[in-house]
Amino acid sequence: KAGVTQTPRYLIKTRGQQVTLSCSPISGHRSVSWYQQTPGQGLQFLFEYFSETQRNKGNFPGRFSGRQFSNSRSEMNVSTLELGDSALYLCASSPTLGTGYGYTFGSGTRLTVV
Amino acid sequence: QQQVKQSPQSLIVQKGGIPIINCAYENTAFDYFPWYQQFPGKGPALLIAIRPDVSEKKEGRFTISFNKSAKQFSLHIMDSQPGDSATYFCAASIGNTDKLIFGTGTRLQVFP
Repeated sequence: KAGVTQTPRYLIKTRGQQVTLSCSPISGHRSVSWYQQTPGQGLQFLFEYFSETQRNKGNFPGRFSGRQFSNSRSEMNVSTLELGDSALYLCASSPTLGTGYGYTFGSGTRLTVV
Repeated sequence: QQQVKQSPQSLIVQKGGIPIINCAYENTAFDYFPWYQQFPGKGPALLIAIRPDVSEKKEGRFTISFNKSAKQFSLHIMDSQPGDSATYFCAASIGNTDKLIFGTGTRLQVFP
């Protein structure tokens, strides 16, 4: 059974640019959530999607957005990139809402902003 | 109130030792407390989890102890091995949501 797939694995962008990251959940999983991991702030929740609807959002500026498609795949977008956006972006999926049931993380996309 | 405090920040033990990592929370609405293990270049992987109606849970060499009145929980790794060297995160969540609140992480090194 394939795990959560995140693409690309690595990305280098310039300040001011925008970036789109992709997440393909485990087959049959309908819920997708995103986290930002940095050495200074640790793992922080960005947002969660279920049935193409954003159910919950973390404390991040509006430059961070996301969406979920009808096949449960999800994308997150960061506009007007800042140096501080350099981080490992992790996606997790689960069969339904709730972290206690098969909640699985991908290996992440490492974003470097220069 | 949404924070989960984790200690220590780093831990060094010899093979066979029993490292203990502690976490504390404030929000009594949390009802699920997982521990994650993360290796460099990988995403966090679920190790073991507990709900507040249970005081202890064991899975293999990993044990969670949970103290509901003190709002604290801890991870014990029995007979630790060099392969256990990783970063460990405690976390907490509420109900039917995917939002995990993570602790700050503990870097564990197990020397042969």
